[in-house]
Amino acid sequence: QLQLQESGPGLVKPSETLSLTCTVSGGSISSIGYFWGWIRQPPGKGLEWLASIYYSGSTYYNPSLKSRVTISLDTSKDQFSLKLTSVTAADTAVYYCARRIHASGIDYWGQGTLVTVSS
Amino acid sequence: DIQMTQSPSSLSASVGDRVTITCRASQGISNYLAWFQQKPGKAPKSLIHAASSLQSGVPSRFSGSGSGTDFTLSISNLQPEDFATYYCQQYSSYPLTFGGGTKVEIK
Repeated sequence: QLQLQESGPGLVKPSETLSLTCTVSGGSISSIGYFWGWIRQPPGKGLEWLASIYYSGSTYYNPSLKSRVTISLDTSKDQFSLKLTSVTAADTAVYYCARRIHASGIDYWGQGTLVTVSS
Repeated sequence: DIQMTQSPSSLSASVGDRVTITCRASQGISNYLAWFQQKPGKAPKSLIHAASSLQSGVPSRFSGSGSGTDFTLSISNLQPEDFATYYCQQYSSYPLTFGGGTKVEIK
């Protein structure tokens, strides 16, 4: 059974960089045909897609985040990561990692990790 | 960006009822539409992909339909564990976008 687990600081100061890692177990992040991505949910609000990376390394970003977001793969560790720079209170949210298949959508989610931006 | 509009934003129903949630895309997305269920404090759970295909392990009382711009999620014989918030998502083109959610509450 595939499992995804987010990890990273739960508190980040304004203007600093938020860094999260998703560790995949029960499968390989290099498996052909899968997208790995990040989605967030501010407290009491809906879901927002942030970024995806294909198993081959191609990346896709939400333009609403402009150039603040970077996603990367570490195939040696079966991990992928998110970096979000210049954070503000508006970036406070539960951050989820997820796996997606092109024609079948998201099939696995991590449990989510709350990141609070505050001084 | 493709806008996803869900309706209603909330509804009240009783155990055993049939409920229908609608999701409309601002442009055609073929059948690249997924539905998710989320309970408070939990990660979303994938219910349906490709507009009408149930994810493995999802009860058959859940069904999805539609293509192009108009989609529906139906839950027949509503069970206590089905009270949750439901989201649609298009994965036809980037940026991937979600509907605003529909909260199904107990009447």
